[in-house]
Amino acid sequence: EVQLVESGGGLVQPGGSLRLSCAASGFTFSSYWTSWVRQAPGRGLEWVATIKQDGSEKYYVDSVKGRFTISRDNAKNSLYLQMNSLRAEDTAVYYCGRGSFVKIDYWGQGTLVTVSS
Amino acid sequence: QSALTQPPSVSGSPGQSVTISCTGTSRDVGSYNRVSWYQQPPGTAPKLMIYEVSNRPSGVPDRFSGSKSGNTASLTISGLQAEDEADYYCSSYTSSSTLVFGGGTKLTVL
Repeated sequence: EVQLVESGGGLVQPGGSLRLSCAASGFTFSSYWTSWVRQAPGRGLEWVATIKQDGSEKYYVDSVKGRFTISRDNAKNSLYLQMNSLRAEDTAVYYCGRGSFVKIDYWGQGTLVTVSS
Repeated sequence: QSALTQPPSVSGSPGQSVTISCTGTSRDVGSYNRVSWYQQPPGTAPKLMIYEVSNRPSGVPDRFSGSKSGNTASLTISGLQAEDEADYYCSSYTSSSTLVFGGGTKLTVL
């Protein structure tokens, strides 16, 4: 069974940093592109970032470029999102997903990030 | 990277059909067959329903179908059931090598 489990969310002050993790199981993690998608409270889905199987290609939404870094460790079957210079508008549930621009076929349950003083 | 345009809400009675539209531009929906649809019941994670415009993942009922014409993609749900009540989102690959979602459509089964 494919499983994606996010962790690392929490309350952080504006300007602070947070590192999200996503533990994958039930499939060959190193064979798939993976992505982060977020959803602000009461709002729609917003794509955040995508990384290729070997980490050689990374793509970001403009609003997080220079602040967020997506990475992966295939030996640990894990996906990460390093978030720096956090803003109030980054407050959202962050989902990791298996897949990328063609489809995201499995999603984790999400981890809530709240940016507030 | 403007969001794709979806109607905020649609509704239908059990057994009826509803169609949700998703309008983009020639830089996304109009140029690529990389349109997906996701179902999200309240408080849950999204679920893939349609990918590459009209393909259904295994386990998704054939009541769900997708199509595209020009810059607009559509999701049609036939034989509406109470369990179909959820938010629905479209997404498309863009010419900037990014992914853009629609604003979401709330489906109410009357």
